[in-house]
Amino acid sequence: GAGVSQSPRYKVAKRGQDVALRCDPISGHVSLFWYQQALGQGPEFLTYFQNEAQLDKSGLPSDRFFAERPEGSVSTLKIQRTQQEDSAVYLCASSLVLAGAYNEQFFGPGTRLTVL
Amino acid sequence: GDSVTQMEGPVTLSEEAFLTINCTYTATGYPSLFWYVQYPGEGLQLLLKATKADDKGSNKGFEATYRKETTSFHLEKGSVQVSDSAVYFCALSDQDNDMRFGAGTRLTVKP
Repeated sequence: GAGVSQSPRYKVAKRGQDVALRCDPISGHVSLFWYQQALGQGPEFLTYFQNEAQLDKSGLPSDRFFAERPEGSVSTLKIQRTQQEDSAVYLCASSLVLAGAYNEQFFGPGTRLTVL
Repeated sequence: GDSVTQMEGPVTLSEEAFLTINCTYTATGYPSLFWYVQYPGEGLQLLLKATKADDKGSNKGFEATYRKETTSFHLEKGSVQVSDSAVYFCALSDQDNDMRFGAGTRLTVKP
């Protein structure tokens, strides 16, 4: 595809349910990032992959959050036992290469998660 | 840690008005600086960037200059259009590739 795609675009979950959010990066992009964007706020970094390796997961808010990218392409962000404070837009971004301090990330449209 | 502070919104301007959205940063190293834009119903898009001090990023009539002495990266446009209505995010990225965003500034341009 031409850009980063995410599915579903909208997800409503009951508190305590598990959810899985999918990201399809731009073909050939090495790096993949997940962000959480609360209402009225900027995106907050969650985790980062280079190919299939998860190099940084320091932003994951709790052990209920888990991300994987087993074949170095599609990634899934899983949230177990969802809580109301997990309600946010989850953004995925990909970039072609690591290039020192310069890093242009291409963002998907996001998945809006609402936990009731 | 590294952080970005940008002007709170919302900002409402008339078409052809001059725009400034302030952005300042705190960083221990020498980050790259970015402005991203989010149009209604769309994903974040890179608007412009600057990778070192005194660099000027520009795109679609928008400009921002990387000012190390004032740790700023203010966004400017001389004449805004209705189509510029969006949310604008200032961001920085250090060598760890951990992108830090400001809270965003919503701009509405009225005809």
